[in-house]
Amino acid sequence: QITLKESGPTLVKPTQTLTLTCTFSGFSLSTSGVGVGWIRQPPGKALEWLALIYWDDERRYSPSLKSRLTITKDTSKNQVVLTMTNMDPVDTATYYCAHMVGSGTYYYNYYMDVWGKGTTVTVSS
Amino acid sequence: QSVLTQPPSASGTPGQRVTISCSGSRSNTGSNYVHWYQHLPGTAPKLLIYRNNQRPSGVPDRFSGSKSGTSASLAISGLRSEDEAGYYCAAWDDILGGPVFGGGTELTVL
Repeated sequence: QITLKESGPTLVKPTQTLTLTCTFSGFSLSTSGVGVGWIRQPPGKALEWLALIYWDDERRYSPSLKSRLTITKDTSKNQVVLTMTNMDPVDTATYYCAHMVGSGTYYYNYYMDVWGKGTTVTVSS
Repeated sequence: QSVLTQPPSASGTPGQRVTISCSGSRSNTGSNYVHWYQHLPGTAPKLLIYRNNQRPSGVPDRFSGSKSGTSASLAISGLRSEDEAGYYCAAWDDILGGPVFGGGTELTVL
């Protein structure tokens, strides 16, 4: 059974750096065809993807946020970490991590099949 | 504003069939698979349909998906009160290099 759980601060101040950890079980991020993605949902708004990391360490970032994001994986700890710099109140959202499944390096064919419950982050001074 | 366009709301009575649309462009729904998620506030989004029309194990066959051109649809037949939730479509976007989502459709069971 695949499970994922997001953790991190619930409140950050503007200009600070946010660090979120996705701790998962039931799969290995070193297995071909596996990835983990980060997605967020601001209050009352749509889902927005942030970053993806694949089994082969391929990384993808949302173009609009690329300069602020870093995604890394620690396969020994079964964790994926997302850092987002220069936080702003508009970054207030629920942040989700999700397991992705696909085939090899055909990254466009991957889809998110199991999600965590999300963690709410508020950006305020 | 979302890359994929969905109606903000839909409704139906128990037992009815409801369809939710998802419209994109050539770079996303027009050339890649469409996936559908069910989401209730405070819970993890649940995969309902993947690769246009495939159902994960455990998802009732009341849920079905289809795609034609740059548009996709999610159909829910035999509507039940527990189907009241938000529904989101998603697809890979070749230009953005990642997945894009619809704005979500809130389904009300009257």
